[in-house]
Amino acid sequence: GIQVEQSPPDLILQEGANSTLRCNFSDSVNNLQWFHQNPWGQLINLFYIPSGTKQNGRLSATTVATERYSLLYISSSQTTDSGVYFCAVERLGNTGKLIFGQGTTLQVKP
Amino acid sequence: DAGVIQSPRHEVTEMGQEVTLRCKPISGHNSLFWYRQTMMRGLELLIYFNNNVPIDDSGMPEDRFSAKMPNASFSTLKIQPSEPRDSAVYFCASSNGLTLLNTGELFFGEGSRLTVL
Repeated sequence: GIQVEQSPPDLILQEGANSTLRCNFSDSVNNLQWFHQNPWGQLINLFYIPSGTKQNGRLSATTVATERYSLLYISSSQTTDSGVYFCAVERLGNTGKLIFGQGTTLQVKP
Repeated sequence: DAGVIQSPRHEVTEMGQEVTLRCKPISGHNSLFWYRQTMMRGLELLIYFNNNVPIDDSGMPEDRFSAKMPNASFSTLKIQPSEPRDSAVYFCASSNGLTLLNTGELFFGEGSRLTVL
């Protein structure tokens, strides 16, 4: 099956700092999503981004499907950004199976 | 609009008991997914439905697990008999974009945390 690797596995930031999270995948995809799992366990949609670039406030994401990676940018981080960030992909031709990476655990300190 | 609704939020049961988890997808969504999250294995897809029909159950761990979707607004995941290794958070998600080529955007419920003693 498709492999999804996220880096770094853990990240500690001071409030106000910027960060970049990476997601590499091993095969062609037609679906890619970024999620944030907050400390209460809720999985919150950030971006549906199989290709291109999107921005939402302090967050933005870019997927380069031909090179099999996606990046999530967090600018001016806040303590509420803490939690686990997951990348999930669906391999071309494997409809219905969104496969999750192991996540990046982010801690933002005040 | 209401999101995906799951119940119960927490369940503690004893080994051997039957467990039923429930899910109401977002109205108008045509697909429903059950995931399980554990520390060891992360988020795993168990089964998904399209238009109430089970499409792929290859992720269901064993025969003790079963899932149904009797109508477009309700699904259950049942474990009988339950075992301590079934302890996990079970998430339900729905999508309105499933086609032959793409699952569309998934939206998750808040999860059901199951503890089997």
